[in-house]
Amino acid sequence: ETGVTQTPRHLVMGMTNKKSLKCEQHLGHNAMYWYKQSAKKPLELMFVYSLEERVENNSVPSRFSPECPNSSHLFLHLHTLQPEDSALYLCASSQAEETIERNPETQYFGPGTRLLVL
Amino acid sequence: GQNIDQPTEMTATEGAIVQINCTYQTSGFNGLFWYQQHAGEAPTFLSYNVLDGLEEKGRFSSFLSRSKGYSYLLLKELQMKDSASYLCAVLDSNYQLIWGAGTKLIIKP
Repeated sequence: ETGVTQTPRHLVMGMTNKKSLKCEQHLGHNAMYWYKQSAKKPLELMFVYSLEERVENNSVPSRFSPECPNSSHLFLHLHTLQPEDSALYLCASSQAEETIERNPETQYFGPGTRLLVL
Repeated sequence: GQNIDQPTEMTATEGAIVQINCTYQTSGFNGLFWYQQHAGEAPTFLSYNVLDGLEEKGRFSSFLSRSKGYSYLLLKELQMKDSASYLCAVLDSNYQLIWGAGTKLIIKP
């Protein structure tokens, strides 16, 4: 496997279900991201993990719970979702700089999980 | 607030040239990215501009004017496989990526 992989690719769930999305990066990066992509809207950053510590959550509802057990794996746990949470959930990774002088961190994306909440 | 504007959809003909514009208002600027996203696939990196001017990479070029808060992506010799969404994103003063909604490019034979 190369790049960034995500499973499952498609998920249909009821509002009372609990499910998890999985992301794995094979690029040796130290930062991982969860994004939500809705039709005709900008990508919404949900969570950032840099060096395995969460650095931002952008006020995402608590029904979304991230987990980053190591620098290569990222999960998004879902419970009691709403129909408006239906979207494409994208994972990305990058190599975060540890120096004061930052260089652009190009993000590499996985193919996404298409989520439908009924 | 921070804002990235790009056209929702554009149509062009195979073999022609198309320019996709992006204007931005952000708190600070540390560079602008263009990504390509085919339907049902991951966004993939195309270009990064931080200085004014034109960066050419094969059939694709990206231009930046920081004073005008403006960039464009130029695609030459269009091919059917260039049908995709093109996402503009700006790195703000906190090194956070601010994304546009994307421009869906339709290529017709």
